[in-house]
Amino acid sequence: DAGVTQSPTHLIKTRGQHVTLRCSPISGHKSVSWYQQVLGQGPQFIFQYYEKEERGRGNFPDRFSARQFPNYSSELNVNALLLGDSALYLCASSLGGARLYGYTFGSGTRLTVV
Amino acid sequence: AQRVTQPEKLLSVFKGAPVELKCNYSYSGSPELFWYVQYSRQRLQLLLRHISRESIKGFTADLNKGETSFHLKKPFAQEEDSAMYYCALTHGNEKLTFGTGTRLTIIP
Repeated sequence: DAGVTQSPTHLIKTRGQHVTLRCSPISGHKSVSWYQQVLGQGPQFIFQYYEKEERGRGNFPDRFSARQFPNYSSELNVNALLLGDSALYLCASSLGGARLYGYTFGSGTRLTVV
Repeated sequence: AQRVTQPEKLLSVFKGAPVELKCNYSYSGSPELFWYVQYSRQRLQLLLRHISRESIKGFTADLNKGETSFHLKKPFAQEEDSAMYYCALTHGNEKLTFGTGTRLTIIP
């Protein structure tokens, strides 16, 4: 099992551009969540999807959106990039929810906005 | 709103000495608490969770509801314990709220 895989690993974008980050969960995991980790901080919750439905949204602007596909993979989209969007974006998947199983995290996508 | 506080950003401990990483939380209900660890150049991984009351790599954590704490402890530190440690909670909607983390360095 490859674990949670994210692509790309690194990305450099210009302010105002759009970015799409991708995530493949562990096989059998139906829950996928996205987190933003700014340097020196803990991960901040962005979205959670379960069975292709949005189950939770963090305190992020509407420029952030996500979706989950029938194979449970997921995309995170960010429009009109700002310098402050520079961060490590983590995807996490779970077999049955955080309460019982916790989340398995990917290695992340390092986004730099210049 | 839920909040997780890890008061120490940095903690250095001699090898063989006891380790305690502090975590306090604020939430009015009954949250589930976790400790995640990130070793150098590795991904964030689950170390232990309150609900399973397990001991992983010699680490334990007891949930103290009166003090709203979930401190991580190990009686004898090992060099391989050097890492970034995050305390986190969830309360049913599956969102994890993380603390800011404590970087633990074990001095040989």
